[in-house]
Amino acid sequence: DAMVIQNPRYQVTQFGKPVTLSCSQTLNHNVMYWYQQKSSQAPKLLFHYYDKDFNNEADTPDNFQSRRPNTSFCFLDIRSPGLGDAAMYLCATSTSFSGLADTQYFGPGTRLTVL
Amino acid sequence: AQKITQTQPGMFVQEKEAVTLDCTYDTSDPSYGLFWYKQPSSGEMIFLIYQGSYDQQNATEGRYSLNFQKARKSANLVISASQLGDSAMYFCAMREMNTGFQKLVFGTGTRLLVSP
Repeated sequence: DAMVIQNPRYQVTQFGKPVTLSCSQTLNHNVMYWYQQKSSQAPKLLFHYYDKDFNNEADTPDNFQSRRPNTSFCFLDIRSPGLGDAAMYLCATSTSFSGLADTQYFGPGTRLTVL
Repeated sequence: AQKITQTQPGMFVQEKEAVTLDCTYDTSDPSYGLFWYKQPSSGEMIFLIYQGSYDQQNATEGRYSLNFQKARKSANLVISASQLGDSAMYFCAMREMNTGFQKLVFGTGTRLLVSP
């Protein structure tokens, strides 16, 4: 089945130690998104890629970076995680963002703990 | 101002009963799309149903239907014949056409608990 895969499902890191979260998709979608979701809150968009075009949300901290080496893979790098970065990180994909009905399909998420 | 409002932090329903989860939205754009997602405790956001602003009929997908009242700017999710597996967080979300990038904006969610 076509899907969005995130690895690892659970990640523990130390304060200030760089961490990379991985997302891959077999849907061949053009757009990939990274969301941050803190406990009992709505998902918050960090950035998205349309093909190789990177788009950062205005309020995404500089601590967060992303790479998309090819259509299938996208990475979220947190350069110096703080305690406030502990959250669920959700990857999503869509065929495009030009159609209103274009649905975003989400992966299972990576739950990040910062010690 | 909140774009998407979900006023019910938590809802309880008995198995096999129907339940309505409320969602109101705020937009001046005539073209928009409304989505409902389910998020079980495992964390994955599962797409349930979509309603476009120009759609004449309410959307339905199996046990899920959307009660779309455009004039009242509401898009309530109706789950018929609730099952224990329906226990989860439910998020309403909107995409507007007038932004260059059609960002998906989520509400704060409603936690549904289905009891036997």
